[in-house]
Amino acid sequence: EPEVTQTPSHQVTQMGQEVILRCVPISNHLYFYWYRQILGQKVEFLVSFYNNEISEKSEIFDDQFSVERPDGSNFTLKIRSTKLEDSAMYFCASSEARPHTGELFFGEGSRLTVL
Amino acid sequence: QQQVKQSPQSLIVQKGGISIINCAYENTAFDYFPWYQQFPGKGPALLIAIRPDVSEKKEGRFTISFNKSAKQFSLHIMDSQPGDSATYFCAASPPNAGGTSYGKLTFGQGTILTVHP
Repeated sequence: EPEVTQTPSHQVTQMGQEVILRCVPISNHLYFYWYRQILGQKVEFLVSFYNNEISEKSEIFDDQFSVERPDGSNFTLKIRSTKLEDSAMYFCASSEARPHTGELFFGEGSRLTVL
Repeated sequence: QQQVKQSPQSLIVQKGGISIINCAYENTAFDYFPWYQQFPGKGPALLIAIRPDVSEKKEGRFTISFNKSAKQFSLHIMDSQPGDSATYFCAASPPNAGGTSYGKLTFGQGTILTVHP
């Protein structure tokens, strides 16, 4: 069964460092998303991406964040200068293009710990 | 206005019992209401979803009840099993204008369901 894969599963970094989280969406999907979940809190939308550009972003997704699809398979989330409050589980998700049923397929997440 | 409020935070039921989780939303523009199930160490997975043109949708032991006028929807798990023990999230999204809007989910806080054997 096709799945969304994310790497790394866990990353520990120092405050102020850059972090790149990687995702391989399901191969025939064209819509990509990043969500995050701070420990004990709800899952929050960060950004959606389609046709090589950001479609929507939340207020959380400030200038410290960027997304990229550098090749035909990977979808990355970069945090330029990490803060303590960026510590969270980051989920990548993808969905089909036609029709857009609304079902998002989530990866298992990348846990980011900022010290 | 974008909030989705979910209750209870945690729920313990006996095997064979009915689990009921409730959600309320504020934004009348929401057009799609999925429930996601999350096991420890895994990402959320779609369980069942409903659109506001119907009041109920059933898939196996899982039923969504939807009350548009009250802006509430609930998940009922019949004959709950220990394997149903997980965190359940309700969510809502706006209409699919522009292509990705369905994916802009607003999640509830989650309910940790424990089903005792």
